[in-house]
Amino acid sequence: NAGVTQTPKFQVLKTGQSMTLQCAQDMNHEYMSWYRQDPGMGLRLIHYSVGAGITDQGEVPNGYNVSRSTTEDFPLRLLSAAPSQTSVYFCASSRRIGGRAIEQFFGPGTRLTVL
Amino acid sequence: KNQVEQSPQSLIILEGKNCTLQCNYTVSPFSNLRWYKQDTGRGPVSLTIMTFSENTKSNGRYTATLDADTKQSSLHITASQLSDSASYICVVSAANGNKLVFGAGTILRVKS
Repeated sequence: NAGVTQTPKFQVLKTGQSMTLQCAQDMNHEYMSWYRQDPGMGLRLIHYSVGAGITDQGEVPNGYNVSRSTTEDFPLRLLSAAPSQTSVYFCASSRRIGGRAIEQFFGPGTRLTVL
Repeated sequence: KNQVEQSPQSLIILEGKNCTLQCNYTVSPFSNLRWYKQDTGRGPVSLTIMTFSENTKSNGRYTATLDADTKQSSLHITASQLSDSASYICVVSAANGNKLVFGAGTILRVKS
């Protein structure tokens, strides 16, 4: 049981380039999400999905696209990278643990630098 | 506006000592509150989760408290170890439990 995996661990892009951050989970969770973490700030939600074929925007969706063709995979696409997208990106998958609470499992993160 | 404020921003303590981290929130309606530990270069890992009706929850040497009336929570670490050095993040769930508001975290360094 690998949990949540993310690739790559590190990436350097030039302004204007595009790329896809990969995220996969093997826990059969319906809910998956992408966050970015910047120094001195809490994690901010970029996009999320409540199941295969369903995605929605979070707090900071501009410049990012997602798709959810399978329960396991939830890739994040940067359309045209900008220096403001330099950050650490975390993917998470979640399960209900009773009532309204959900438990999140985070991947190890992708550290992205845009020059 | 839904917010989660944590204090202190950073803390250095000697190995074996206790410490308490604070979390104040303005998230409404409140669903639950959780504390995460994030080691350097890793994703956050859940320590405790508390609903409205719970005012304390322990996980080994970690004890979280919740006062839903004053909208405050604390994380107490007993007999600290070097491995406790990490960032500790307070997260509050609003509404149906799906909307999460993250604090910026407290960076704890335990030194020998």
